[in-house]
Amino acid sequence: DAKTTQPNSMESNEEEPVHLPCNHSTISGTDYIHWYRQLPSQGPEYVIHGLTSNVNNRMASLAIAEDRKSSTLILHRATLRDAAVYYCIPFSYSGAGSYQLTFGKGTKLSVIP
Amino acid sequence: DAGVIQSPRHEVTEMGQEVTLRCKPISGHNSLFWYRQTMMRGLELLIYFNNNVPIDDSGMPEDRFSAKMPNASFSTLKIQPSEPRDSAVYFCASSFIGRGEKLFFGSGTQLSVL
Repeated sequence: DAKTTQPNSMESNEEEPVHLPCNHSTISGTDYIHWYRQLPSQGPEYVIHGLTSNVNNRMASLAIAEDRKSSTLILHRATLRDAAVYYCIPFSYSGAGSYQLTFGKGTKLSVIP
Repeated sequence: DAGVIQSPRHEVTEMGQEVTLRCKPISGHNSLFWYRQTMMRGLELLIYFNNNVPIDDSGMPEDRFSAKMPNASFSTLKIQPSEPRDSAVYFCASSFIGRGEKLFFGSGTQLSVL
């Protein structure tokens, strides 16, 4: 399995942009990079995923390094509702229904009013 | 769609009792995952199914744990007998896995074994 490294915690002021980094230097060429977040007392929630190029959706943007060894989740304007644990996960699919989606410790994001 | 539905939301039981957790995946999804979350170990993948067939159960902690998926719309995770160290939040997730697809999680079952 590809291993990931994320900061244990980060803080952001409300309405400021937040850049959440993730290192995944052992990722294989076919692994997608998924980001999930988990709000208190809830199940994880999908945020965004990508393979090589940068991705945008209504929740966030994902910037993937050219060598794919790192990525950054960007929340453009943090709100109090964005306070959560954010997980960066390499998604390995080897065909015939065989895949790996392993959660690490994640980054706990605190948003300051 | 109602999303992934898990029941019960909370379960309190005594050591030695049988516990059954239930999950209804999103209609049309072809894969189902069972995770367990504790403060110490975080989110652990227990088992996953693809097209109702168990693909990898290497995360199941012991023979006391078993999971079934009799059809595409229902799965169970059973613990027999339960022990206090099984206390955790158990999540079910489903997805349409072909290539890089996203998982949808249920709200979880908070299990307390006394």
